Amino acid sequence: EIVLTQSPATLSLSPGERATLSCRASQTISTYLAWYQQKPGQAPRLLIYDASNRATGIPARFSGSGSGTDFTLTISSLEPEDFAVYFCQQRTNWPPITFGQGTRLEIK
Amino acid sequence: QVQLVQSGAEVKKPGSSVKVSCKASGGTFSSYPISWVRQAPGQGLEWMGIFVPIFNTANYAQRFQGRVTITTDESTNTAYMELSNLRSEDTAVYYCARGRNWNDPDLDYWGQGTLVTVSS
Repeated sequence: EIVLTQSPATLSLSPGERATLSCRASQTISTYLAWYQQKPGQAPRLLIYDASNRATGIPARFSGSGSGTDFTLTISSLEPEDFAVYFCQQRTNWPPITFGQGTRLEIK
Repeated sequence: QVQLVQSGAEVKKPGSSVKVSCKASGGTFSSYPISWVRQAPGQGLEWMGIFVPIFNTANYAQRFQGRVTITTDESTNTAYMELSNLRSEDTAVYYCARGRNWNDPDLDYWGQGTLVTVSS
């Protein structure tokens, strides 16, 4: 099973700053990586699919990059509503699909 | 706009089973994979399994093999997840979610979640 490792576990930043979240796969997954945002008490929301494609309705400040084993989610300028938990997920040779353990983005 | 509406919260005894439903409105399941994902309190997301309509088959995460069954009823646009032999560690919010297209299980529409509490 492919293991996804996210870093850091917690990221403390201020509104307006740039956020960089990482996800590393235990083996190559091409660009079969998605990113989700989850706020307390809510279901996750798809942000990015296939490593770099924004899902419908996702603001342009969210961008994804990477291929192979190393991936990055960047939020160019943090808005107050962006403070949440972010998960990566891979789908290479699915099923199964697997999730990373999450990065909590908190207000500094 | 697709909406997935799940059944309500459940409280179950250890050793029993639970069946959670997920009804689609504004769209169908007929071509899209449906996954079930759970989240224990304060924890991350755990994928449990998937039903792939185009192949009419279900596939389960290894750790749930033999305990979970995922089915769909196309006539009512409803998916079901049944988990048996419940233990306290199964206490979690259970989500259904729809794949992006017939061959892409990335989860673009989610249900609201169903809290299942396992307690004696």
